[in-house]
Amino acid sequence: DQQVKQNSPSLSVQEGRISILNCDYTNSMFDYFLWYKKYPAEGPTFLISISSIKDKNEDGRFTVFLNKSAKHLSLHIVPSQPGDSAVYFCAASEYNNNDMRFGAGTRLTVKP
Amino acid sequence: ETGVTQSPTHLIKTRGQQVTLRCSSQSGHNTVSWYQQALGQGPQFIFQYYREEENGRGNFPPRFSGLQFPNYSSELNVNALELDDSALYLCASSLGGQGIYEQYFGPGTRLTVT
Repeated sequence: DQQVKQNSPSLSVQEGRISILNCDYTNSMFDYFLWYKKYPAEGPTFLISISSIKDKNEDGRFTVFLNKSAKHLSLHIVPSQPGDSAVYFCAASEYNNNDMRFGAGTRLTVKP
Repeated sequence: ETGVTQSPTHLIKTRGQQVTLRCSSQSGHNTVSWYQQALGQGPQFIFQYYREEENGRGNFPPRFSGLQFPNYSSELNVNALELDDSALYLCASSLGGQGIYEQYFGPGTRLTVT
């Protein structure tokens, strides 16, 4: 069962513009959400997270928004840079549960 | 500070064989989680080891087993390999038994089963 879904396999944006990556989940018990970035031949690297008690978390150019009623979260990257080109994974988990569920990923391409 | 390392990088096995994958955790980390990432999918949680004990398991059959050593490095063993076991196997280390936070991933081992 795919409890975390990233419906856009790919996204292409121009350098300097905003990138918006979306993620939907079905398990209402999830209370911690993370975004990971993955470059080729490397493991995923942690980018930003948000707990269910918040609806927004910001870290520099990266902001994650959580809409619990819609079971939806999004990652905004502003401004986008060519170095942001990577595969982005959304992940979710219940507190005290080690089984973190990942989406299938969205490949972001930022064009110079 | 040494990051998470995995060996080997690539591996080709035949159906029915057994395989052992290895992971060295980041310095100071006592928890290792293993994930299977099939082509075009996100990582799927296999199990986690915390202080040498299994500390949670995903929906994988018993032929997937693991070990964690006193230095917190870890092994993933897969018996009776099947074609569907072909995937990228990732390990991630973290500090503490709740491995969902601040996990640091290795580059993975690409396993091909023919």
